Amino acid sequence: DTAVSQTPKYLVTQMGNDKSIKCEQNLGHDTMYWYKQDSKKFLKIMFSYNNKELIINETVPNRFSPKSPDKAHLNLHINSLELGDSAVYFCASSQPGLAVYNEQFFGPGTRLTVL
Amino acid sequence: GQQVMQIPQYQHVQEGEDFTTYCNSSTTLSNIQWYKQRPGGHPVFLIQLVKSGEVKKQKRLTFQFGEAKKNSSLHITATQTTDVGTYFCAGQRGGSEKLVFGKGTKLTVNP
Repeated sequence: DTAVSQTPKYLVTQMGNDKSIKCEQNLGHDTMYWYKQDSKKFLKIMFSYNNKELIINETVPNRFSPKSPDKAHLNLHINSLELGDSAVYFCASSQPGLAVYNEQFFGPGTRLTVL
Repeated sequence: GQQVMQIPQYQHVQEGEDFTTYCNSSTTLSNIQWYKQRPGGHPVFLIQLVKSGEVKKQKRLTFQFGEAKKNSSLHITATQTTDVGTYFCAGQRGGSEKLVFGKGTKLTVNP
């Protein structure tokens, strides 16, 4: 069973369109994240939710809106897509507060290409 | 804001040579984590270091956390082609869920 899954895996779209990426985790974790990895492989956190509540909101354009309908799902909606939004978007989850490790489990990524 | 610097950005080695990547944080960390990302893949957790001066080993990989809890290193002995990928360190401060990733070191191994 896939622990953290994302759909779609690839997304090619025109500038100005609106698109969504979905993420689901079956690990029972309370915290989920969205990361953006650019062409230089730099991983930067965008958002984090803990049990449906937003806890991290980095300096991301407000065209990006995360939504967490329940603690197993964290979706990312992007309005008015721009060329600079082209990247790989990773979802991740973790269970903070564990005594030993609070590692993050990453999904397979969604490669977004904006033309 | 918190920054995590990682060097080198790229490392090319011959199979059998050793490899080291270094990580330095601008602030004291509560823990540091290391991840490996294979080409075309996603980051996969390797290890977490919590204690000052901690050293942990996983087969040919040795991880160290500095005494001041601001720097860390990953050393691979006798690299193999299966070690190819990008290695990221990620630092976390106390009281924060946020992991700040270094820019990664891309390792290529020539057979």
